[in-house]
Amino acid sequence: AQRVTQPEKLLSVFKGAPVELKCNYSYSGSPELFWYVQYSRQRLQLLLRHISRESIKGFTADLNKGETSFHLKKPFAQEEDSAMYYCALVRGNGGSQGNLIFGKGTKLSVKP
Amino acid sequence: EAGVAQSPRYKIIEKRQSVAFWCNPISGHATLYWYQQILGQGPKLLIQFQNNGVVDDSQLPKDRFSAERLKGVDSTLKIQPAKLEDSAVYLCASSPTGSVGNTGELFFGEGSRLTVL
Repeated sequence: AQRVTQPEKLLSVFKGAPVELKCNYSYSGSPELFWYVQYSRQRLQLLLRHISRESIKGFTADLNKGETSFHLKKPFAQEEDSAMYYCALVRGNGGSQGNLIFGKGTKLSVKP
Repeated sequence: EAGVAQSPRYKIIEKRQSVAFWCNPISGHATLYWYQQILGQGPKLLIQFQNNGVVDDSQLPKDRFSAERLKGVDSTLKIQPAKLEDSAVYLCASSPTGSVGNTGELFFGEGSRLTVL
């Protein structure tokens, strides 16, 4: 079964500390994984995608097929990073037929 | 560019009553999704439309939920009769054709929060 697991409901760190939000997936084949973020009183929005290997707002995520993980990392957390973070996996055949399976989310709280 | 519009933002009903939610996707987006997000959970897909056709409704509780997108633009999600466990935020999202597998980007609305008493 295709599944996304985010083991931490809440992660609390101090400003300037490193952050790692964990995501594990279950998928047979080549997964397509993403991180979505929802800031307070804003809409859910795409943060980054594994295929782009990009850094957005200082966040990076590396796909580790051996460990079936896609952890989100940032070396120095900022207060404005406080938000809900969801890991997501494409289900189905991708393209126009695909849709996203979301994990339960991790709430990141960055303290001053 | 205008985002995904949803209404109403909030709705409180009693169990066994009916409710309908409306969504207008971003102009030109062929694919429309309805997700259910129960408190403390991630969004769960209810139904996916491509234009006015259903692509995936495997997780839609069809005995009480229905959805339509008659003209391939806006969509309505209905619940009848509602149960206590239907209390959730109902999120509508849209994407351009063929984008999910390539970009993974869904554009979400603000959601409609339903409370069933």
